[in-house]
Amino acid sequence: EVQLQESGPGLVKPSQSLSLTCSVTGYSITSNYWGWIRKFPGNKMEWMGYISYSGSTSYNPSLKSRISITRDTSKNQFFLQLNSVTTEDTATYYCARSGGFRGALDYWGQGVMVTVSS
Amino acid sequence: DVVLTQTPPTLSATIGQSVSISCRSSQSLLHSNGNTYLHWLLQRPGQSPQLLIYLVSRLESGVPNRFSGSGSGTDFTLKISGVEAEDLGVYYCVQGTHAPNTFGAGTKLELK
Repeated sequence: EVQLQESGPGLVKPSQSLSLTCSVTGYSITSNYWGWIRKFPGNKMEWMGYISYSGSTSYNPSLKSRISITRDTSKNQFFLQLNSVTTEDTATYYCARSGGFRGALDYWGQGVMVTVSS
Repeated sequence: DVVLTQTPPTLSATIGQSVSISCRSSQSLLHSNGNTYLHWLLQRPGQSPQLLIYLVSRLESGVPNRFSGSGSGTDFTLKISGVEAEDLGVYYCVQGTHAPNTFGAGTKLELK
């Protein structure tokens, strides 16, 4: 069974970097696409970016140069780094797998809530 | 970015009632390869989102067949034929045709 698990700090100070890890079991990240999505207070969802089976990346332009997604295939993990965070980055962050059709996210982690506050 | 407009924002239903959620796109979601990358998710309270339907109308494995999707171009609909208690939560449409992927604002289904 495919399982994803996010981990990382739940509190980040403004202007610092947010770093999260997604650990995947039951499936290799060298197949498919793997993404980060966040849900803001309320219901708004935002696709942040993904890393492909080959290691190529694609990011939401709204995050400009603040975002980086990398991976460690030996540990079957991929990572999110978001720089220069503000209170507007407070959200629940999810990692997910794209099941073969663009945008169709078929496996999700449980999510990690990150608060940006001093 | 493509804007997906979901209506209604909130839906009150009784058990057994059939309901529909609309998702309208600011651009056609028909890709040049012939696929329409419009999908539906459900997020139950306290849970992660779950894929219900992909490519407009294909039911994800394990999803009850009371869920169905339809539509084309810019207008799409999710129908639940006989709401059950486990269907409560927030429904999202999401598109993958145009980068970046975008989500609708969500429709909250609650019990009347």
